[in-house]
Amino acid sequence: EVQLVESGGGLVQPGGSLRLSCAASGFDFTIYSLNWVRQAPGKGLEWVSYISRGSSPIYYADFVKGRFTISRDNVKRSLYLQMNNLSDEDTAVYYCARGDYDDLTFDNWGQGTLVTVS
Amino acid sequence: DIQMTQSPSSLSASVGDRVTFTCRASQNIKRYLNWYQQKPGQAPKLLIYAASSFQSGVPSRFSGSGFGTDFTLTISSLQPEDFATYYCQQSYSTPCTFGQGTKVEIK
Repeated sequence: EVQLVESGGGLVQPGGSLRLSCAASGFDFTIYSLNWVRQAPGKGLEWVSYISRGSSPIYYADFVKGRFTISRDNVKRSLYLQMNNLSDEDTAVYYCARGDYDDLTFDNWGQGTLVTVS
Repeated sequence: DIQMTQSPSSLSASVGDRVTFTCRASQNIKRYLNWYQQKPGQAPKLLIYAASSFQSGVPSRFSGSGFGTDFTLTISSLQPEDFATYYCQQSYSTPCTFGQGTKVEIK
């Protein structure tokens, strides 16, 4: 069974930093791209970042460029999101999502981790 | 960026109803269109990819169609477990973008 388990969320002050992690199991981690998608409270879904199976290329949404860094460790089967200079607009549940088919179709999602900037 | 517009934003329906909602892209995305279902407190779930292909395990009452800029998701006979919010998403190019969602509520 495919499992994606996020961790690292919490309460942080504006301007602060957090590092999210996503631990994967149940599939060959090395052959899939991965993404972060977020959802602000009561709002819709918003794609944040993409990383290919070999860590290049990497893409970001404009609203996080220069502040967030996505990375992965294929040995540890883990995905990461380093978030710096956080603002209240970054408050959201952050989901780890596996990319399939065209790499930007999200066929499996984690349960999400809540980031609150206040 | 490609804008995705869903309509309606919400609808009320009864069990057994046939419901259809639409998603329009601001430019041609060929068949790079996916549909997700999200229930309160849960992660989204992929239902349909590439406009009309079923994700494994998705009931056959769900179907998708469309090409280019106009797409539809149809539930042929609404079941109690289908009351949720549905999002379309284009996977044609980055940034991949979602529609604002259609919330299906019980009439």
